[in-house]
Amino acid sequence: AQSVTQLGSHVSVSEGALVLLRCNYSSSVPPYLFWYVQYPNQGLQLLLKYTTGATLVKGINGFEAEFKKSETSFHLTKPSAHMSDAAEYFCAVSGSNYQLIWGAGTKLIIKP
Amino acid sequence: ETGVTQTPRHLVMGMTNKKSLKCEQHLGHNAMYWYKQSAKKPLELMFVYNFKEQTENNSVPSRFSPECPNSSHLFLHLHTLQPEDSALYLCASSLTSGVYNEQFFGPGTRLTVL
Repeated sequence: AQSVTQLGSHVSVSEGALVLLRCNYSSSVPPYLFWYVQYPNQGLQLLLKYTTGATLVKGINGFEAEFKKSETSFHLTKPSAHMSDAAEYFCAVSGSNYQLIWGAGTKLIIKP
Repeated sequence: ETGVTQTPRHLVMGMTNKKSLKCEQHLGHNAMYWYKQSAKKPLELMFVYNFKEQTENNSVPSRFSPECPNSSHLFLHLHTLQPEDSALYLCASSLTSGVYNEQFFGPGTRLTVL
C-alpha cells in the first residue's frame, strides 16, 4: 500500500536560510508526487508536482523538489526563506486507486 | 466569487443537531471532494464525485451524507455527530478525478461538536 512520511511536524529556519522539508513515500507503481501549501485560515494550494520526465521540478514562490527513485524521496527545498513562507506543507503521492495519499504535514516556522 | 467557496466558515453544533456544509466551485471542474483535516494527521479523503456521480466513499460513517446536485455544488449533511468529528472540513475540485489533476481547495469549515 502507498504511504507518505514527512519527517518533522515542525521545521524552524532563519529568514534567508535554506529550507529543506523532507518527504519519503512508498509506492508499488511509478508515482505521481505533489507538494501542497496551506497558509493560515486558507485551503491548500499546489506548489509543484512530479509526473514523468525531469526529476527536478520547479514550483511557485521559488520552491523546487527532486524525485529520487532510489531513495523513494521527494524533498522540498528553497534556497532562501522569506517570512511569507511560514505555512504548513503537505506531501502527497498517487495511490493505486487513483486517490492521493497525504502526509501529516510539516509546519514551517521562519525566524526573523 | 472565484475559486472554491465554502459556507459556513465556522460551525458549532450539538450532537443531536442536523446541519449542512456547502461548497461551490467556479472553475468549471467536473470532480469534487470532501476531506477531513485533523491536527497532526494526514488529510482523510471522505467522498469523491466525478460528473455528479459518487465514485469514492472511504468507509465514512453514515452520520455524514454527501449530496452533489450538479458539478458546481457539493453538500455535506451532518446529523448526530460525535465530538471526535470536530475538525476542519475541506472541499476541493479538479478538472476530473484523475490523480494527476491539480486539486483546488476551499478555505474549509471549522466544525466543533459539543
